[in-house]
Amino acid sequence: GQQVMQIPQYQHVQEGEDFTTYCNSSTTLSNIQWYKQRPGGHPVFLIQLVKSGEVKKQKRLTFQFGEAKKNSSLHITATQTTDVGTYFCAGLRYGGSQGNLIFGKGTKLSVKP
Amino acid sequence: GAGVSQSPRYKVTKRGQDVTLRCDPISSHATLYWYQQALGQGPEFLTYFNYEAQPDKSGLPSDRFSAERPEGSISTLTIQRTEQRDSAMYRCASSSLPGLAGGGETQYFGPGTRLLVL
Repeated sequence: GQQVMQIPQYQHVQEGEDFTTYCNSSTTLSNIQWYKQRPGGHPVFLIQLVKSGEVKKQKRLTFQFGEAKKNSSLHITATQTTDVGTYFCAGLRYGGSQGNLIFGKGTKLSVKP
Repeated sequence: GAGVSQSPRYKVTKRGQDVTLRCDPISSHATLYWYQQALGQGPEFLTYFNYEAQPDKSGLPSDRFSAERPEGSISTLTIQRTEQRDSAMYRCASSSLPGLAGGGETQYFGPGTRLLVL
């Protein structure tokens, strides 16, 4: 079945360093969403990308959706300790069930002050 | 309500018992989703509802799992004859509009119910 692969599984950075997580799908996606889950918390929506090649920015976060709509990335510039958590991508399969969001396994980010 | 609520927050049960988990979505949200999240993993889709309709239940692991949303608001997830492998966090999420073709809607997650089957 369709999978959404996310790498790396873990990332440890020094505060101030940049961080990137990558998401790859085996099939074309109609859109991709990104969520952040703090330790002990629940996933919180960050952003949705719909268009091929789309790039969106939220302060220090930059989100990209690949031209083929099969991959996406989240880049954080100059990480802060508040960025700690697990970042999940979640894709909606093109032509598939409208509610069946496929989540990646997440990238767990730790930031050393 | 102000957010998605779930109850109970924790449930410990013995193998073979039935459990029912409850989700109260954000008021007026049309769509409600159920996920299973194992420790250190991403949420895995179980099923979803548009109002009372259940268009997709392909993620339910077995026929021991069932979900209802009879009045289009509160939903329950029932696991019959629980097994140890059912132990996980069960998350509910809701979104404001039924899924549109080619697009998704922001999902608001609840705090989850942590189920432990002994």
